[in-house]
Amino acid sequence: QVQLQESGPGLVKPSETLSLTCTVSGGSISSYYWSWIRQPPGKGLEWIGYINYSGSTNYNPSLKSRVTISVDTSKNQFSLKLSSVTAADTAVYYCARGGITIFGVVAEFDFWGQGTLVTVSS
Amino acid sequence: DIVMTQSPDSLAVSLGERATINCKSSHSVLYTSNNKNYLAWYQQKPGQPPKLLTHWASTRESGVPDRFSGSGSGTDFTLTISSLQAEDVAVYYCHQYYSTPPAFGPGTRVDIK
Repeated sequence: QVQLQESGPGLVKPSETLSLTCTVSGGSISSYYWSWIRQPPGKGLEWIGYINYSGSTNYNPSLKSRVTISVDTSKNQFSLKLSSVTAADTAVYYCARGGITIFGVVAEFDFWGQGTLVTVSS
Repeated sequence: DIVMTQSPDSLAVSLGERATINCKSSHSVLYTSNNKNYLAWYQQKPGQPPKLLTHWASTRESGVPDRFSGSGSGTDFTLTISSLQAEDVAVYYCHQYYSTPPAFGPGTRVDIK
């Protein structure tokens, strides 16, 4: 059974960079596509972007200028960096596994981490 | 970008009764060449990540009770819980993966009446 676990600081100051890591266990990261998704408190879900084992990425245009997703296959991990954060970036951040469609869009998310709350505040 | 909407925002149903959740996409998510609708449904309970219920609009995931069924095509979709159980109290989201960025609906909260 694939398991995903997010880790990283729970508090980030405004204008700084949010950094999170997702560790994948029970399966290889060298298959599938690995996404970050966030959920502001009490609100809906927003896809941030994905990466695959070879480092191919795709980002949500709404966040593209501030997002970097990277992968470390030797550690079975992938990471998120979101720069210049504001209070609007306060959310639970999830990592999740998906396939890829024939259109190159990440498909349904079948495994999720438990999520980690990141608060942006001074 | 494809925008997803859901109705109602919330509903309360008696135990054992049917719950119906609607999802509408601003653009068709049906690819006619393979006749597949690129739409998924998720269930999210408080303090938990979303759980995948169906993909291709109506293909139920392994282990999901058969009281959950997805239907619809093109731009209009429905998730039906045929006989609501106490453990089905949750927020339900639809999700299109036809075009990037993939997008979720705003969610529908289901409670017990």
